[in-house]
Amino acid sequence: DAGVTQSPTHLIKTRGQHVTLRCSPISGHKSVSWYQQVLGQGPQFIFQYYEKEERGRGNFPDRFSARQFPNYSSELNVNALLLGDSALYLCASSLGPSAENTQYFGPGTRLTVL
Amino acid sequence: AQSVTQPDIHITVSEGASLELRCNYSYGATPYLFWYVQSPGQGLQLLLKYFSGDTLVQGIKGFEAEFKRSQSSFNLRKPSVHWSDAAEYFCAVGDGNQFYFGTGTSLTVIP
Repeated sequence: DAGVTQSPTHLIKTRGQHVTLRCSPISGHKSVSWYQQVLGQGPQFIFQYYEKEERGRGNFPDRFSARQFPNYSSELNVNALLLGDSALYLCASSLGPSAENTQYFGPGTRLTVL
Repeated sequence: AQSVTQPDIHITVSEGASLELRCNYSYGATPYLFWYVQSPGQGLQLLLKYFSGDTLVQGIKGFEAEFKRSQSSFNLRKPSVHWSDAAEYFCAVGDGNQFYFGTGTSLTVIP
């Protein structure tokens, strides 16, 4: 079975632009979570979606938004990019939304904001 | 609030030596605890997890971890390190529908 896939692999944007990152979960997984990993830090939780509904949100500004589609894939959108948004964005999928469901991570999208 | 502390930013060990990576957590109830490994430029791979029961858990690649409630710790161990174990290691606590990660420990293995 394929693992979690993310696209694109790398992305370069300039300040003020908008970006959309995509994630396809493992087949059968209905929950998708997004994390931001700044260089040298651990991942920080941004969003969790389950059955197309937002189930959790981390401490991120409203410039960050996400959605989940009927096939359980997900998009993360970031508006008005700042230099500080440069990071590795990780998507994780799991069978369900609660913590006892192991999260499986994709390889990430490396976003560079110039 | 939940938090995870990994006190060692960087550890260097010789190949074949034993390894222990420390993790302390702050959580009110019995936590769901995880160790992940991240190779450069890659996503995170689950090494092992603890939910309940036996406090010594076995994982992949010869790793194990011990949950000690009294010390709020979940340290990762390996009896004999291989050069391929060089990577970044993250401890995480699961709470509800969120995971809280530590800042990671970078492991260097010298021949």
